[in-house]
Amino acid sequence: QQPVQSPQAVILREGEDAVINCSSSKALYSVHWYRQKHGEAPVFLMILLKGGEQKGHDKISASFNEKKQQSSLYLTASQLSYSGTYFCGTGSSSNDYKLSFGAGTTVTVRA
Amino acid sequence: ETGVTQTPRHLVMGMTNKKSLKCEQHLGHNAMYWYKQSAKKPLELMFVYNFKEQTENNSVPSRFSPECPNSSHLFLHLHTLQPEDSALYLCASSQDPLWDRNTEAFFGQGTRLTVV
Repeated sequence: QQPVQSPQAVILREGEDAVINCSSSKALYSVHWYRQKHGEAPVFLMILLKGGEQKGHDKISASFNEKKQQSSLYLTASQLSYSGTYFCGTGSSSNDYKLSFGAGTTVTVRA
Repeated sequence: ETGVTQTPRHLVMGMTNKKSLKCEQHLGHNAMYWYKQSAKKPLELMFVYNFKEQTENNSVPSRFSPECPNSSHLFLHLHTLQPEDSALYLCASSQDPLWDRNTEAFFGQGTRLTVV
């Protein structure tokens, strides 16, 4: 079962904030976040493994709410370089080789 | 540059052709993956190899045939494809096959496949 991401797309001006949500109908063990720029490979941002865990990467941070079976990615004071499609990948088991990815959220940051 | 190289970057093939996609990594990773990325759809896992052994075939049609001759190379052999198979095919690798153990995946840039 693939996670559901929202919103599908967001347009920001430089310096604005945004939140991308990733929800699953299954209990989650892990959440991975990746960003893909047009014509490029998806690039790893961070993994969250524990319920309630929060992590940061530059001004991009994420939280993992195990009870709600969801994760949120926070883009703070967005920069032009933040433009791209953000994917969440969820794992439901510690023995699972698979990640189920969401459809992605396209972020466009304008000057 | 992620350390995972895919060739070719673009491929146009007829439905009766046979072609192969190649993926190469020299990161010392033990697990390699094929994903299919279609427009507006989630990344779909196709195959997983761990230490050259296939551990996952995610109900992929037999017209797609993977091959992993060693831990650095992964191929996807294609034959008698359909137009709906047109997509971006991504290869990825990771050090640890259990992705949840704080292990990230490194993706290649993909092969854009068009079936005519």
